[in-house]
Amino acid sequence: GAVVSQHPSRVICKSGTSVKIECRSLDFQATTMFWYRQFPKQSLMLMATSNEGSKATYEQGVEKDKFLINHASLTLSTLTVTSAHPEDSSFYICSAQSSYNEQFFGPGTRLTVL
Amino acid sequence: AQSVAQPEDQVNVAEGNPLTVKCTYSVSGNPYLFWYVQYPNRGLQFLLKYITGDNLVKGSYGFEAEFNKSQTSFHLKKPSALVSDSALYFCAVRDIGGDSGTYKYIFGTGTRLKVLA
Repeated sequence: GAVVSQHPSRVICKSGTSVKIECRSLDFQATTMFWYRQFPKQSLMLMATSNEGSKATYEQGVEKDKFLINHASLTLSTLTVTSAHPEDSSFYICSAQSSYNEQFFGPGTRLTVL
Repeated sequence: AQSVAQPEDQVNVAEGNPLTVKCTYSVSGNPYLFWYVQYPNRGLQFLLKYITGDNLVKGSYGFEAEFNKSQTSFHLKKPSALVSDSALYFCAVRDIGGDSGTYKYIFGTGTRLKVLA
């Protein structure tokens, strides 16, 4: 089956620093990847759609300068949380869209900003 | 606009009893429906999907779901619950494709299943 990985699985950083999260599709190519944010005991909130070779499309209310997305290859998308603050602490999940237009989800990254 | 609703925040069931987690949907066109399970601090695990065909869909870990067009429902079921089934369950519908061939998923609010020993 299609496998999506995320790295790191858990990261703790100081306020004001930037953190990069990687999302990789391991056994298929994905022209489209998605980034979600999940608050405790809540549903997934779509942050942005990442398209290979073009700019990401952000959902309303998501700061594009705060959450930088780069989809440089057909198997890798990165999310960089810039100048992180404690309110950015959350669980971030990516997914990759297959050629059958279905999404396969990564295991998530727990970000804690001190 | 496509949407799904999970009316129950939490469902409690005794181990060995059948379980049902409810989901209703609202779509234009044919629905593509999914169920996912999430364990603490983990990503989403795919359980099953409905695209077309038989209304009863069988999935992973003994779960199944029944697609009911007249009631616009896609309830998740299992004949005999296990304590290890305790987790957060999400229903999702695939949105209409966007300009770039992107297909967003719209998630329900989630239902926490608690199976009591």
